[in-house]
Amino acid sequence: GIQVEQSPPDLILQEGANSTLRCNFSDSVNNLQWFHQNPWGQLINLFYIPSGTKQNGRLSATTVATERYSLLYISSSQTTDSGVYFCAVEGNSGYSTLTFGKGTMLLVSP
Amino acid sequence: ETGVTQSPTHLIKTRGQQVTLRCSSQSGHNTVSWYQQALGQGPQFIFQYYREEENGRGNFPPRFSGLQFPNYSSELNVNALELDDSALYLCASSLVGSGIGSPLHFGNGTRLTVT
Repeated sequence: GIQVEQSPPDLILQEGANSTLRCNFSDSVNNLQWFHQNPWGQLINLFYIPSGTKQNGRLSATTVATERYSLLYISSSQTTDSGVYFCAVEGNSGYSTLTFGKGTMLLVSP
Repeated sequence: ETGVTQSPTHLIKTRGQQVTLRCSSQSGHNTVSWYQQALGQGPQFIFQYYREEENGRGNFPPRFSGLQFPNYSSELNVNALELDDSALYLCASSLVGSGIGSPLHFGNGTRLTVT
């Protein structure tokens, strides 16, 4: 099956700093989503981005499908950004199922 | 727009027992998927239901089974519970067949503890 690798596994930032999270995947994809999981386990959909660039406030994401990677940018980080960020992809299986990476755990300190 | 809702939020069961988890899909969605998330791991795909039939399955044994109802809600049943079944169980819904990509939207999950 499709493989998803995220880096870095852990990241500690001071409030106000910027960061870039990376997701590499092993095959062509129909769908790529970025999620933020808060400490209570809630998985929040940040971006649906199989290709191109999108922005939502302080967050933006870029997927270069031909090179099989996606980047999530967090600018002016806040303590509420803490949590685990997952990249998940849907391969060409014909089902709308997602394969998740292992996540990047982000801690933003005040 | 009603989001994905799951019940119960927490559950404690004993090894060998059976459990049923429930999920109501987001309005307008016709497909439900279930994922298992062990502590410190990413969610793992269990199975997907479309038009009330299983439409794809991950690497989970047959004691994990499910149902989808005409209103697109779904149940996940786990028989003969094992300690390793302790996890957060996430339900996600999406719209399949629209001709365009549809993101998955997740519920808040059911945290199952098996003792």
